[in-house]
Amino acid sequence: AQSVSQHNHHVILSEAASLELGCNYSYGGTVNLFWYVQYPGQHLQLLLKYFSGDPLVKGIKGFEAEFIKSKFSFNLRKPSVQWSDTAEYFCAVNDPMYSGGGADGLTFGKGTHLIIQP
Amino acid sequence: KAGVTQTPRYLIKTRGQQVTLSCSPISGHRSVSWYQQTPGQGLQFLFEYFSETQRNKGNFPGRFSGRQFSNSRSEMNVSTLELGDSALYLCASSRSQGYQETQYFGPGTRLLVL
Repeated sequence: AQSVSQHNHHVILSEAASLELGCNYSYGGTVNLFWYVQYPGQHLQLLLKYFSGDPLVKGIKGFEAEFIKSKFSFNLRKPSVQWSDTAEYFCAVNDPMYSGGGADGLTFGKGTHLIIQP
Repeated sequence: KAGVTQTPRYLIKTRGQQVTLSCSPISGHRSVSWYQQTPGQGLQFLFEYFSETQRNKGNFPGRFSGRQFSNSRSEMNVSTLELGDSALYLCASSRSQGYQETQYFGPGTRLLVL
């Protein structure tokens, strides 16, 4: 079974600071990797995803993530955060070879609550 | 394109009752998945439906069930509600045209069991 660990449950940064949120997964096979964001009062939105190819993926709002297979990691980064980045961030994985029908069920980390102070 | 919609947005029920939640996927999406979000357990996968059949199931008791209709709309049912069923229930849809699928989430139904 897959599991996902997000190391930081709460992160507080000042505007313009750099951000890195850790995500590690445990699964021996190939995985699809996702970062979702949940802004206050809004629903889960896809930030970025990795399926294959270039391990450095870029998402919306200036976010990027790097897949390091040897470390089973998919850390999220942003060079300069803004107050509007205050949100809950979730790392998730699933099996790309799932053959049941649609997408395999996602396994989520517990989330990181990010607060950006103006 | 309209996103995933869920109804109702809020529900209050009492222990022992049953509840039905509804989800309409993005147009053209044929797979619907359900998740439970709680402060303690986080986001957990309930089940996935494709072509009106449950294809995948998470680790939840049989009180949690669902179905999918021919238009891909899905319903989730929880019978004999318990206090611990209070949660945000999220629906996600995906195209299911290939093996690399992205799931898009709806706003959720917040269920409070008293």
